[in-house]
Amino acid sequence: AQSVTQLGSHVSVSEGALVLLRCNYSSSVPPYLFWYVQYPNQGLQLLLKYTTGATLVKGINGFEAEFKKSETSFHLTKPSAHMSDAAEYFCAVSEGGATNKLIFGTGTLLAVQP
Amino acid sequence: SAVISQKPSRDICQRGTSLTIQCQVDSQVTMMFWYRQQPGQSLTLIATANQGSEATYESGFVIDKFPISRPNLTFSTLTVSNMSPEDSSIYLCSVEVNGRGYTFGSGTRLTVV
Repeated sequence: AQSVTQLGSHVSVSEGALVLLRCNYSSSVPPYLFWYVQYPNQGLQLLLKYTTGATLVKGINGFEAEFKKSETSFHLTKPSAHMSDAAEYFCAVSEGGATNKLIFGTGTLLAVQP
Repeated sequence: SAVISQKPSRDICQRGTSLTIQCQVDSQVTMMFWYRQQPGQSLTLIATANQGSEATYESGFVIDKFPISRPNLTFSTLTVSNMSPEDSSIYLCSVEVNGRGYTFGSGTRLTVV
């Protein structure tokens, strides 16, 4: 069975500081990995995904994540936080393909201080 | 990516009643997924719906409480039956199309009073 662990349910950074949101996964098959963002009272938006190929994945809004198989990690980073980045971020894993379910981590609430 | 139309967007229901949530996708998909997001929590998969067969439910979810229909490749419904205040959540449907990542409906915000 697949699972996702997000370390830190709340992360607070200053505007302009590095954002690092941690995600570790467990999967018996090569995983497909995703980061989603949810702004207050809004739906889920895909930030980026890793399926195969290049392990450093760039997404929207300046975010990127690196797939590290040896560490079973897929941490999300952004060099410089903006106030507009304040939201809940979810890491998720699937076995790939349209018929396989997506399993979510517990989420990390990012606060950005002025 | 696919576009999902989900309705209703929100509802306030009396305990003991049922609510049916609809999801319409703008392309044909094999699987549709239904999730629940309880207040302040992450998304939990309720079931996977394949056209022409019974839905597959995750541990802790049963068909009598959450019956699902999947009459064709673009549409599905989830019913929340015999509701109690503990069912107050956001319910979302999701699909994956052509390897572009999972797309989610805008969600149904349910409050049971």
